[in-house]
Amino acid sequence: DGGITQSPKYLFRKEGQNVTLSCEQNLNHDAMYWYRQDPGQGLRLIYYSQIVNDFQKGDIAEGYSVSREKKESFPLTVTSAQKNPTAFYLCASSILAGGSEQYFGPGTRLTVT
Amino acid sequence: AQTVTQSQPEMSVQEAETVTLSCTYDTSESNYYLFWYKQPPSRQMILVIRQEAYKQQNATENRFSVNFQKAAKSFSLKISDSQLGDTAMYFCAFMKPWDSNYQLIWGAGTKLIIKP
Repeated sequence: DGGITQSPKYLFRKEGQNVTLSCEQNLNHDAMYWYRQDPGQGLRLIYYSQIVNDFQKGDIAEGYSVSREKKESFPLTVTSAQKNPTAFYLCASSILAGGSEQYFGPGTRLTVT
Repeated sequence: AQTVTQSQPEMSVQEAETVTLSCTYDTSESNYYLFWYKQPPSRQMILVIRQEAYKQQNATENRFSVNFQKAAKSFSLKISDSQLGDTAMYFCAFMKPWDSNYQLIWGAGTKLIIKP
C-alpha cells in the first residue's frame, strides 16, 4: 500500500534533548512537508522540500532542522533551541503541481517535560 | 500575505441534517486553489474537496459541496445528510501559486460534532 508513515506515534523527551521524528513516503512524491499543529490553530509550516538535498524554511523553522538525503525520507529534528516543542507534528507529501493534494501521515505527538 | 479565516470554532448538528461551514480568505491573486480537509478523531488528515478559482462551477463530492464566491472571497462547505462519521475538525486551506511553491495556508479549523 502506498502512503506516508510517521514514527513513533507518541514521543516523550526531557527538556534540553534533541529529538528526531521520522517521515517516510512510498508515493514517489517530489515534495515533502512538516507541519506543527497546536490546539485552536491551523497547521503551520515548519520546513518543506521539493527535491533531494534541498529544503526551505517555512513560517516557524526556528528550533527545527531537517534533511532530505533520499526522496522517500524527510526526518525532522526538534532541537533544544525550540522554546515550546510540545505539539502534534504532521508530515505530508505531494506532487509538484497546482491544485495537487497533500497526503498526510498519521502524525507524531511530541511531549517535552 | 494570504490569510484564511474560519469564524466558527465549533458546530453541532443532528444526524441527517445539513450543515454549512464558513471560510473566507484574503488574496490579491486571481488564479489559485482552495481545499477543505477533514481531520477525524484519529487525527489522519484527509482531503474532502478542492476548488479551482478560475472555474465558475462549484465543486461537489457526493454529500459534500462548496459555495465558492470569488468576489466575496468566500468558500463555504456544505455537508448534506450528515452522518456520525462526519464528526471531525474541518480545515479550509488556500494554495499559493507556483511561484510560492504551492504552499498551503490553513485556517484555524471548525470542530463539527454530529449528534445521533
